[in-house]
Amino acid sequence: EVQLLESGGGLVQPGGSLRLSCAASGFTFSSYAMSWVRQAPGKGLEWVSSISGSGGITYYPDSVKGRFTISRDNSKNTLYLQVNSLRAEDTAVYYCAKVDGYNPYSGMDVWGQGTTVTVSS
Amino acid sequence: QSVLTQPPSASGTPGQRVTISCSGSSSNIGSNYVYWYQQLPGTAPKLLIYRDNQRPSGVPDRFSGSKSGTSASLAISGLRSEDEADYYCAAWDDSLSGQVFGGGTKLTVL
Repeated sequence: EVQLLESGGGLVQPGGSLRLSCAASGFTFSSYAMSWVRQAPGKGLEWVSSISGSGGITYYPDSVKGRFTISRDNSKNTLYLQVNSLRAEDTAVYYCAKVDGYNPYSGMDVWGQGTTVTVSS
Repeated sequence: QSVLTQPPSASGTPGQRVTISCSGSSSNIGSNYVYWYQQLPGTAPKLLIYRDNQRPSGVPDRFSGSKSGTSASLAISGLRSEDEADYYCAAWDDSLSGQVFGGGTKLTVL
């Protein structure tokens, strides 16, 4: 069974940093691109970042470019999201998701349960 | 303002057929696959339709997807109370080099 388990969320002050992790199991991790998607309270889904199966290709929307960094360790079957310079508008549930393919150009077919990031003083 | 446009709400009575539309452009729906997700209250999104019209195993055949040009649709037939949820469409956007979502449609079963 394919499983994704996020961790690393929490309460952080504006300007602070966190590293989110996503432990994957049940599939050949290195063969699939991975993504992070977030959902602010009461809002819709917002794509945050994607990375290819090898880790060599990454994509970000302008809203997080330069502040967030996606990475992966294929030897540990783990996806990461380093989030820096956090703002109140970054408060959301962050979901890890497996992409339907090796490159990030497809949609997500499996989602984790999410980890909550709250940015507040 | 979402790149993909969905109606904010839809409704139907048990047994009815409802459709949810998703409008985009040539850089997203017009050139890439569309995915649909169902999000029940308080839970993570779940894949409902992939690659425009494919159903993952375990998804009832009451759910179907279609695409024409730069628009896509999700149809739910034989509506049931447990279908009450938020539904999102998504596609890769070649111009933005990123995944884009619709704003979501809240489905109410009356």
